[in-house]
Amino acid sequence: AQKITQTQPGMFVQEKEAVTLDCTYDTSDQSYGLFWYKQPSSGEMIFLIYQGSYDEQNATEGRYSLNFQKARKSANLVISASQLGDSAMYFCAIRVGDKLIFGTGTRLQVFP
Amino acid sequence: EAQVTQNPRYLITVTGKKLTVTCSQNMNHEYMSWYRQDPGLGLRQIYYSMNVEVTDKGDVPEGYKVSRKEKRNFPLILESPSPNQTSLYFCASGPSGDYEQYFGPGTRLTVT
Repeated sequence: AQKITQTQPGMFVQEKEAVTLDCTYDTSDQSYGLFWYKQPSSGEMIFLIYQGSYDEQNATEGRYSLNFQKARKSANLVISASQLGDSAMYFCAIRVGDKLIFGTGTRLQVFP
Repeated sequence: EAQVTQNPRYLITVTGKKLTVTCSQNMNHEYMSWYRQDPGLGLRQIYYSMNVEVTDKGDVPEGYKVSRKEKRNFPLILESPSPNQTSLYFCASGPSGDYEQYFGPGTRLTVT
């Protein structure tokens, strides 16, 4: 069975610093996709970044990058130059076949 | 504006009273899905649909029904709601299961 593990329930980071949110996954499938979503306090789910299992380069989207280490089955999200508006819950998810499985999330708080 | 809409946004009901949460998307997406979000558990997939008349179970389908008679609509039906179905529900759609999903604003359901 597929599984996503986010071991950090909460993280703090100072504004303008970089932060890494951890995500490990477990699947026996060779083809899969990894996603990160942001959920601010307002509740909506916002797509951040995607990495396919066959992508050789790490995905980047603006200040977000995904540190994909296939052998270690990890897909950590790196946020550079944190902003106060980055304070939110962050969810890692894996798509295998047609199913999408989410982790339990990490609450990030950015302080001035 | 491209969006996924859900109605109602908030609902308080009693045990056993059938209810339907509607979901509609205007992006011509083939893939639609329902999730529930509970504290400490992240998001869990209830049902998903690859296209019209094609639906399949996610990880927590018990107590729920869905239908996909039209491409744009994917209602979630609770035939006999119970208090353990109190949760925040999200509908999402995407071009296919391979790509990021666009989430609706969420429906907060309370069953007493």
